[in-house]
Amino acid sequence: QSALTQPRSVSGSPGQSVTISCTGTSSDVGGSNYVSWYRQQPGKAPNLMIYDVNKRPSGVPDRFFASKSGITASLTISGLQVEDEADYYCCSYAARYTYVVFGGGTRLTVL
Amino acid sequence: EVQLLESGGGLVPPGGSLRLSCAASGFGFSDYAMTWVRQAPGKGLEWVSDISGSGTTTYYTDSVKGRFSISRDNSKNTLFLQMSSLRAEDTAVYFCARADWGQFHYWGQGTLVTVSS
Repeated sequence: QSALTQPRSVSGSPGQSVTISCTGTSSDVGGSNYVSWYRQQPGKAPNLMIYDVNKRPSGVPDRFFASKSGITASLTISGLQVEDEADYYCCSYAARYTYVVFGGGTRLTVL
Repeated sequence: EVQLLESGGGLVPPGGSLRLSCAASGFGFSDYAMTWVRQAPGKGLEWVSDISGSGTTTYYTDSVKGRFSISRDNSKNTLFLQMSSLRAEDTAVYFCARADWGQFHYWGQGTLVTVSS
């Protein structure tokens, strides 16, 4: 049950776009329709931003876009805002294999 | 409004035991699988355990198998995590979450477990 691979950090300026990658294997990301993304502010519980690979819960702005190709999922945040600064985690569910596995997390800094 | 409220965390010596609880409200508790996720200090999220809505099926991450036991009382809308043979590396904030196909729309605020002598 190895963690999914994410970059440790990404950064961007207000208004710009950033993309966070999440690489797994054919046993998790590559074989799952249930990839999700979470944002976590310091000292807070995680907050669901994307589910089912590319769906946004109500209340999540369409600046957040996600996709998957093969064993890599991606989260793109456009029109960066200062309040987007947080840790972002990907997650994959694959009942036949590893069940649930998180990525190691990516710290987004808005410069 | 969906609410999840964890309790039961605290300081426990290595080898000790602790039981965490998660009180749920605002949704049909028995209709959903529930999950425990933990986060060690300064580290990332780690899935710990999952239980089906009926309580008949459970899953665990390898590092806690044989030491942790997840259960639920659907009559009291409460989720539990019984932790035994605790190790220093089990020190973390433990979150409960409502599981929808391994995706977590709702989370509790977390409860801190510290394993130390």
